[in-house]
Amino acid sequence: AQKITQTQPGMFVQEKEAVTLDCTYDTSDPSYGLFWYKQPSSGEMIFLIYQGSYDQQNATEGRYSLNFQKARKSANLVISASQLGDSAMYFCAMRPFEDTDKLIFGTGTRLQVFP
Amino acid sequence: DSGVTQTPKHLITATGQRVTLRCSPRSGDLSVYWYQQSLDQGLQFLIQYYNGEERAKGNILERFSAQQFPDLHSELNLSSLELGDSALYFCASGTSGGAREETQYFGPGTRLLVL
Repeated sequence: AQKITQTQPGMFVQEKEAVTLDCTYDTSDPSYGLFWYKQPSSGEMIFLIYQGSYDQQNATEGRYSLNFQKARKSANLVISASQLGDSAMYFCAMRPFEDTDKLIFGTGTRLQVFP
Repeated sequence: DSGVTQTPKHLITATGQRVTLRCSPRSGDLSVYWYQQSLDQGLQFLIQYYNGEERAKGNILERFSAQQFPDLHSELNLSSLELGDSALYFCASGTSGGAREETQYFGPGTRLLVL
């Protein structure tokens, strides 16, 4: 079954420190896409970063990077130099090749950044 | 701002009623996706339209229906509402018909409360 697992319901990090949010996935498809979204308390879903299963390099977008380990089926999000505005829910999502029309989401991790 | 608009932002109604949620995709995007976010089910894919045609169906109840109009805006109709339908309903849009690497950009959501 296609599944995304986020085992950390909550994480704390001090401002300016780096933090890693874990994501593992389960799929038998050889081709898939992995995404991270941020949901602040206001509710909107903000796209952060994308990683394709055949991409040779780990994706990076500003302070966000994706630690992609295909053999372990993990796609952890690394946020460097955390800011207070990074406090939010973070969702990992997968788009399997055979079912390319929908995103499968994990349960999310709530990140709190403190001064 | 993702460029996806949704109205209304909030909706309070009673059980048994019918409501319509509206979504306008980003300029140039042909695909519209609907998702439901609830406390017990998390983020669930409901349905996708591509250029006016239904493309994929997820966990959408028979009481729910959707359509995409020639101007590409979409409406999600929820009828015979139950308490359990209370949730945040997201519309997302994408450029293609669901390619693996396509990024879905989410609207701000409509928060539905059924009393």
